[in-house]
Parts: sequence; C-alpha cells; structure tokens
Amino acid sequence: QVHLQESGPGLVKPSETASLTCVVSGDSISTSYWSWIRQPPGKGLEWIAYIYYGGSTNYNPSLEGRVTISLDASRSLFSLRLTSVTAADTAVYYCARVSSGGADFDHWGQGTLVTVSS
Amino acid sequence: EIVLTQSPGTLSLSPGERATLSCRASQSVTSSHLAWYQQKPGQAPRLLIYGASTRATGIPDRFSGSGSGTDFTLTISRLEPEDFAVYFCQQFGGSPIFSFGPGTKVQTK
Repeated sequence: QVHLQESGPGLVKPSETASLTCVVSGDSISTSYWSWIRQPPGKGLEWIAYIYYGGSTNYNPSLEGRVTISLDASRSLFSLRLTSVTAADTAVYYCARVSSGGADFDHWGQGTLVTVSS
Repeated sequence: EIVLTQSPGTLSLSPGERATLSCRASQSVTSSHLAWYQQKPGQAPRLLIYGASTRATGIPDRFSGSGSGTDFTLTISRLEPEDFAVYFCQQFGGSPIFSFGPGTKVQTK
C-alpha cells in the first residue's frame, strides 16, 4: 500500500522560505512522478510542481521562480522549497503520486498546514 | 491556459437522489486527461474517476463519469450518506500542465 507523509514548518514568517518534505513508502520513488498540490483554507486545489526520478521537473507558471522541487531516492522522499512567502501562501500542502497513466493523482498524503504570519 | 468551471457551486439533495455535476473546460481536453476527485472535510482528495469515465480502484459503481471535448459530467446515481462532500474535476495537458476546477459541494437538503 502506497503511503505518503508530509512534514513542514507549520508557521513561517513573511518573506522567509518554507521547506516541506514528503516521505514515500510502499512504492519505489524511482518509478513514478511525484507532485505537490496546495489548498488555501476553504478554497480549491492548486497544482504546484512535479518531479520524476530522472530529474524531469515541471512547475506551475504562477509560482515558477519561487518554487523548487527535489527528490532524494536514497531516502525515498521528495521536497518542496517555497521562497519569499506571503500570506497568500498559507495553505494545506499535499504531496501526491501521479498515476501510471500520467494524467491524475492516485495517492495523496494527508496534508500539512503551512501558515504564513509574523 | 485551460480554465475549468464547475456547476452548480452547491447541490442540495437528499440521500437516494441522483446527483449530476458538470465540469466545463475553456478549451478542449483530451478525454483520457480528465479526472474527478472527492474531498471530505479535513481529508485529502480521493481519486474517483480518471480518463473521464473509468472508476478508480475501490470506487462504487454508483459513481460514473462521461463527456468529451469541453463538457464533462460526474453522476452519482443514488446518493449515500457518505457521498456528501466536495467534488473537483482536474485536467492534464494545458498550462499549467495540471489544473483543478473550483469544486461542487454536495450537501444534504
């Protein structure tokens, strides 16, 4: 059974950097694409980025320049770094596996709330 | 950019009734690239339908998806108490490469 577990800073000050990690178990991280998706409180879902073991990445243009996604196969985890955060970045951040069909997300973590506040 | 619009925003129905949810895209979406998710409060979204009409593993057959081009539909044939939730559609292939609709809330009448 595939399991994804996010961890994050909880509270981040404006203009600082938020770093999140997703640990993958029950699946080889080297055989799938992996994504980050976020959801501001009471709002909809926004895809942020994906990464593949081979190094392929893709970012949402709305966040490109502030976001970096990376993968550590030796520790079976992938990470997200979001710089220059503002209150608009307050959200639950989910990690998810892209399905084998490549077009949707078949396994999700439970999410971690990142609040941007001074 | 492909923009997904979902209607209605809220659907008020009773258990046992049929729910019909709409997802409209601003440009044509390849059918194999349209998915539906269910999200309950405090939980992550769950994949229901992929490829516009294929149920994901473990999804009951009261859930069905249809449509093509710019118009897609999620139907719940007979609502069970556990089906009251928010439903999102999602496309792949536009810019950004993944995007979601704003959601439809199915609530108890």
